[in-house]
Amino acid sequence: GESVGLHLPTLSVQEGDNSIINCAYSNSASDYFIWYKQESGKGPQFIIDIRSNMDKRQGQRVTVLLNKTVKHLSLQIAATQPGDSAVYFCAEELSFGAGTTVTVRA
Amino acid sequence: ETGVTQSPTHLIKTRGQQVTLRCSSQSGHNTVSWYQQALGQGPQFIFQYYREEENGRGNFPPRFSGLQFPNYSSELNVNALELDDSALYLCASSLDNGNTIYFGEGSWLTVV
Repeated sequence: GESVGLHLPTLSVQEGDNSIINCAYSNSASDYFIWYKQESGKGPQFIIDIRSNMDKRQGQRVTVLLNKTVKHLSLQIAATQPGDSAVYFCAEELSFGAGTTVTVRA
Repeated sequence: ETGVTQSPTHLIKTRGQQVTLRCSSQSGHNTVSWYQQALGQGPQFIFQYYREEENGRGNFPPRFSGLQFPNYSSELNVNALELDDSALYLCASSLDNGNTIYFGEGSWLTVV
């Protein structure tokens, strides 16, 4: 079965607001986590990753937080833009969750 | 663009037939992974090849098989197609079994 999963299948966000997408995993030995963005008709695109020896990592407008105590990670997108509308997947090594569809309202 | 190319982009097959999907990895990448993504689902890991050897396999039956060639291009073969095999098949490449993988745009397979 899947080792990673997302809390909510959909998220609607007002343009300019911050988005938070959550993900839970079950394998406490997991070492590496990745967030992907998949736009309609395209393959998944790498956004940001984090290793288990870190609890936070920042990229351009994105931040990933890892809480190993509760086996939870999140992706925060600052100042959400229409181009951020997509399906977001968290992945643990080669295993993907089901995805959260983010819709940005104008 | 990721530099990973897949062909064909779309195809329709009949139940019981066989299909071969192809993938050209990003230049210099020696590891390729294949995924099946059903509509509305996350990608499911099929298998991975590293330097022409299978290096891990997901929960897929033996009728799903693969090859990786000396130039690191790859094929996914599916025999005895079933209706449930209809999905987007994604290829992803990486360097030295590294963790950051780059996906192609996928091959849409419809089995009728």
